[in-house]
Amino acid sequence: LQLEESGPGLVKPSETLSLTCSVSGGSFTSRTDYWGWVRQPPGKGLEWIGTVSYAGHTFYNPSLKSRVTISLDTPKSQFFLKVTSVIAADTALYYCARHDSVYLLDVWGQGTTVTVSS
Amino acid sequence: QSVLTQPPSVSGAPGQRVTISCTGSNSNIGAGFDVHWYQQLPGTAPKFLISTKGTRPSGVPDRFSASKSATSASLAITGLQTADEADYYCQSYDSSLTASIFGGGTKLTVL
Repeated sequence: LQLEESGPGLVKPSETLSLTCSVSGGSFTSRTDYWGWVRQPPGKGLEWIGTVSYAGHTFYNPSLKSRVTISLDTPKSQFFLKVTSVIAADTALYYCARHDSVYLLDVWGQGTTVTVSS
Repeated sequence: QSVLTQPPSVSGAPGQRVTISCTGSNSNIGAGFDVHWYQQLPGTAPKFLISTKGTRPSGVPDRFSASKSATSASLAITGLQTADEADYYCQSYDSSLTASIFGGGTKLTVL
C-alpha cells in the first residue's frame, strides 16, 4: 500500500489549503481502515489533524475543527484535506496516513510541504 | 505544550540500553488507551515502530520494546546502533479532548 500527497506548496494567508492523498497498491474500502492527516511544523512535532472512515465519517482535532474538512472519493481511491482561513502557523509538512480504530498509523505518505505566505 | 510529555533528548553509547518516557494523564494513557511509538529518521516520514499492546511491524527488531504503567509509557532500545539515531514520538488517544495526541518527540543521539 502506498500513499502520496499532492497539492500547492504555497498558499496565501486567509485562503484555503487543499491537499489530495492518492492511495495505491491496496484496498481503499476496507471497513477496518481509516484515512488521516497529520502535520509537522518546521522543526516541531507531529499534530493529528483529522480522519475519515471508509464510510465517510469524519473525526477532527478540536483545535482545528472549525477550519478543517476531510472527505474521500472512493472510486478514485483518494481522500482530501481542506483548511480554510490559513495563517502562518499552518505552515508545515503535511502527511496522509492509514490507521486502524486505535489510531495506529501504519502506512504514511512521504509528506508535502505547505508554506503560508503572501 | 503537548498533552503527552517526552524528554526532548536522550543519548547512549553503541551497545547500551536507553529508555524514552511518555507521560500522560487519566484521560489518555491512564484511561487504558494504547500507546504507539514512531521513529522518524532525518528527512523522512515517521514510521510505526511498536505499540504497548505488542503490535510490531515485521522488520522491527526485538531490540525495541514498549511498556505502560498507570499514566506513563516507555520505549526501550537495547543494543544501541548508530542507525537508531532519530526522533521518537509516542501517540495515544485522549477521551477528554476526543483527539489523537502525540508527544513532543525525543531526539535520540548515539554517542
